[in-house]
Amino acid sequence: DAKTTQPTSMDCAEGRAANLPCNHSTISGNEYVYWYRQIHSQGPQYIIHGLKNNETNEMASLIITEDRKSSTLILPHATLRDTAVYYCIVRGLQGAQKLVFGQGTRLTINP
Amino acid sequence: GAGVSQSPRYKVAKRGQDVALRCDPISGHVSLFWYQQALGQGPEFLTYFQNEAQLDKSGLPSDRFFAERPEGSVSTLKIQRTQQEDSAVYLCASSRLESFTGELFFGEGSRLTVL
Repeated sequence: DAKTTQPTSMDCAEGRAANLPCNHSTISGNEYVYWYRQIHSQGPQYIIHGLKNNETNEMASLIITEDRKSSTLILPHATLRDTAVYYCIVRGLQGAQKLVFGQGTRLTINP
Repeated sequence: GAGVSQSPRYKVAKRGQDVALRCDPISGHVSLFWYQQALGQGPEFLTYFQNEAQLDKSGLPSDRFFAERPEGSVSTLKIQRTQQEDSAVYLCASSRLESFTGELFFGEGSRLTVL
């Protein structure tokens, strides 16, 4: 079973910041928070991951609370191409560990 | 390209037929995963290979599902005597065993429709 809880859907205006929340209250000390997204008819795509510090890359920022029980993915300037299902996943770092997907958040960017 | 390649992209099968779905992982990737994604749902884990060894097949829904990776590279997912509930997108992903990100790289999937 997925260890995360996300809202089913969200809307955001184009050009604004999209903030996607995720609860992972049972995360263990060696587990990372991963975010993937899945654009229609494509396979999931890695966005970002973090352990306890906030992280930023060219795609997004990840804010993890101090107690690590929740996090927020931020797309700073959402575009129409960011419309996708976003999955928050907790997992160890090793490449041998499977991803356990939940239902994700369907994010719609509106013009 | 250098990504994960899956074939066929689309497959229509009559109920009872056998199907085979192929995955070409990224060269050098030791780990290979198969997932099943029903319409409107998140991907569900089926099985995992490390090189040619199938280390986890806990997600295979029945003994009609069989996966192999004989030479530690290309993998085939075989479904025997297909049923309508097997209709789904089958995703393959590969990764390095050790990497800074632990990122899994997914293919675009094979969409199976069983009539």
